Amino acid sequence: VQLVESGGGVVQPGKSLRLTCTASGFTFSGYAMHWVRQAPGKGLEWVAVVSSDGSDKFYSDSMKGRFAISRDNSKNTLSLQMNSLRAEDTAVYYCAKSPYSSAYYNCFENWGQGTLVTVSS
Amino acid sequence: QSALTQPASVSGSPGQSITFSCSGTSNDAGDYNYVSWYQQLPGKAPKLVIYEVTNRPSGVSNRFSGSKSGNTASLTISGLQAEDEGDYYCSSYTRNNPLNYAFGTGTKVSVL
Repeated sequence: VQLVESGGGVVQPGKSLRLTCTASGFTFSGYAMHWVRQAPGKGLEWVAVVSSDGSDKFYSDSMKGRFAISRDNSKNTLSLQMNSLRAEDTAVYYCAKSPYSSAYYNCFENWGQGTLVTVSS
Repeated sequence: QSALTQPASVSGSPGQSITFSCSGTSNDAGDYNYVSWYQQLPGKAPKLVIYEVTNRPSGVSNRFSGSKSGNTASLTISGLQAEDEGDYYCSSYTRNNPLNYAFGTGTKVSVL
């Protein structure tokens, strides 16, 4: 299993950014996928999950309405569209694979190395 | 969503066993057997070491074990080694709004 995140960088407050996670080494279309973030020097925070077929999507309350998770099973990619970014969104963003197809009752079985998003003027 | 509560730090000598807790509520850790634990070594991504309270993924040392009583889950590391030094996080599925995943506040394990 390999998960490689990309798309991070420095962005101004109020702007948008799109992160991508490219998966390999497993049947991507068979598993739910998550985004988890970690602010510098802080703990882990769950962001969002999408089921294996993309039909179920759920978000952390603090990001609902600003972030959108999606997947393209034909390209083995997971995405996170982040809008109206704030300084407090500065974090390393990890994609993580679930052991199940459903968005429910998951754990985070495999993790990418993360991509750093810095929101600053 | 509210974080699960973990002690900030735990330490032990090589070869000792340490156990630390993850306290939740009836909406998360107490309601489901979907508590998992993650090891994060300095500068690395997290790694799953226990899932569904007691199960160990393939390739994870049998020195790691998990348990749960009521609303509190625990992780035990037996035969503590220098390579175990790092941060440990618990996580639980919750049924808030309509679902969420809560992480613990994290425990820093130090090997003396």
